Amino acid sequence: AQSVTQPDIHITVSEGASLELRCNYSYGATPYLFWYVQSPGQGLQLLLKYFSGDTLVQGIKGFEAEFKRSQSSFNLRKPSVHWSDAAEYFCASGSSASKIIFGSGTRLSIRP
Amino acid sequence: DAGVIQSPRHEVTEMGQEVTLRCKPISGHNSLFWYRQTMMRGLELLIYFNNNVPIDDSGMPEDRFSAKMPNASFSTLKIQPSEPRDSAVYFCASSLGTRGLPNYGYTFGSGTRLTVV
Repeated sequence: AQSVTQPDIHITVSEGASLELRCNYSYGATPYLFWYVQSPGQGLQLLLKYFSGDTLVQGIKGFEAEFKRSQSSFNLRKPSVHWSDAAEYFCASGSSASKIIFGSGTRLSIRP
Repeated sequence: DAGVIQSPRHEVTEMGQEVTLRCKPISGHNSLFWYRQTMMRGLELLIYFNNNVPIDDSGMPEDRFSAKMPNASFSTLKIQPSEPRDSAVYFCASSLGTRGLPNYGYTFGSGTRLTVV
């Protein structure tokens, strides 16, 4: 069955430090992969998506993610975080034959 | 575009009352989704529509929940009677895609925070 795992429930990084949020998916075929961000009291906003092609995808707000088929991963990265990046981040996966499944989310806190 | 519009933003109701949540999808999007978010269960897909037709309602928790999409620009999620365990944030999302498939990702509304006391 299709699933998405975000192993880190909560991460704290210092402002200006680099960030990597982990995501693993489970699906036999090439999945569609997404990262969403949710600020407090808001809906989910799409950061970036991967369907095919270049495995390193660029998104909004300076985020990028790399699809690694051999590791079944789609980790989100940012070279230097800002206090405004504090939010909940969701990885999601779908395919050409199924709807999107969301991971449980990773809450990001920023240390001043 | 104004995005996906949900109303109300907050709803507080007494147990046993009927609650109706509303959603206006992005114009031109042909798929609409209702999600429920809680701390315990995360994001759960309740139901989704494609071209106004319910495609998958397997996530609807029980008969107290019902959803309709009378036209391409409006959908409702109704809970009757409501119970305290229904307290959650309910999100509506829309997408341009075939039968709910994630061709372009989903655009979410800001949600309705429901509290049943």
